[in-house]
Amino acid sequence: GIQVEQSPPDLILQEGANSTLRCNFSDSVNNLQWFHQNPWGQLINLFYIPSGTKQNGRLSATTVATERYSLLYISSSQTTDSGVYFCAVELNTGNQFYFGTGTSLTVIP
Amino acid sequence: EAEVAQSPRYKITEKSQAVAFWCDPISGHATLYWYRQILGQGPELLVQFQDESVVDDSQLPKDRFSAERLKGVDSTLKIQPAELGDSAMYLCASIRQETNEKLFFGSGTQLSVL
Repeated sequence: GIQVEQSPPDLILQEGANSTLRCNFSDSVNNLQWFHQNPWGQLINLFYIPSGTKQNGRLSATTVATERYSLLYISSSQTTDSGVYFCAVELNTGNQFYFGTGTSLTVIP
Repeated sequence: EAEVAQSPRYKITEKSQAVAFWCDPISGHATLYWYRQILGQGPELLVQFQDESVVDDSQLPKDRFSAERLKGVDSTLKIQPAELGDSAMYLCASIRQETNEKLFFGSGTQLSVL
């Protein structure tokens, strides 16, 4: 099956710092999405980004499908950004989503 | 904004008892997923429905787990009997098919088996 690996596994930042989270996948994908899981367990969809670059406020994401990786950028981090970030890939339309191993982010004031 | 509804939010049960979780996807979403998430890991698929049909249940422990989506709308996941190792977060998600769109999750059911 497809392998989805995320790095780093853990990240501690001072409030206001920037960070880059990486997602590598082992096969061609039809769909890639980034999620933030808050401390209460809710998974929030941040981006649907099978290729290219998107931005939403302080967050942006880039997927280079030909090289099988995606990056999530967080700028001017805030304590509310804390939680676990997952990428999920879909091999073909209508198939299941495979989740990565996650990056646990802690932003300290 | 439309949401995926799940209940209950928390469930505590004793081993060997039966438990059931309910999910109502976003209106118009044909595909519904049940995931299980163990603490410290990413969600893992248990079962995928397309309308009322099961598309993939290869990871569902069928000796004790069952899932249904009778009218192609809401869905129920059942465990009977529950075991200690079933303690986890059970997440429901839905997506609209035919076009590539975002996957949306409910708030999950945190199950503790004592």
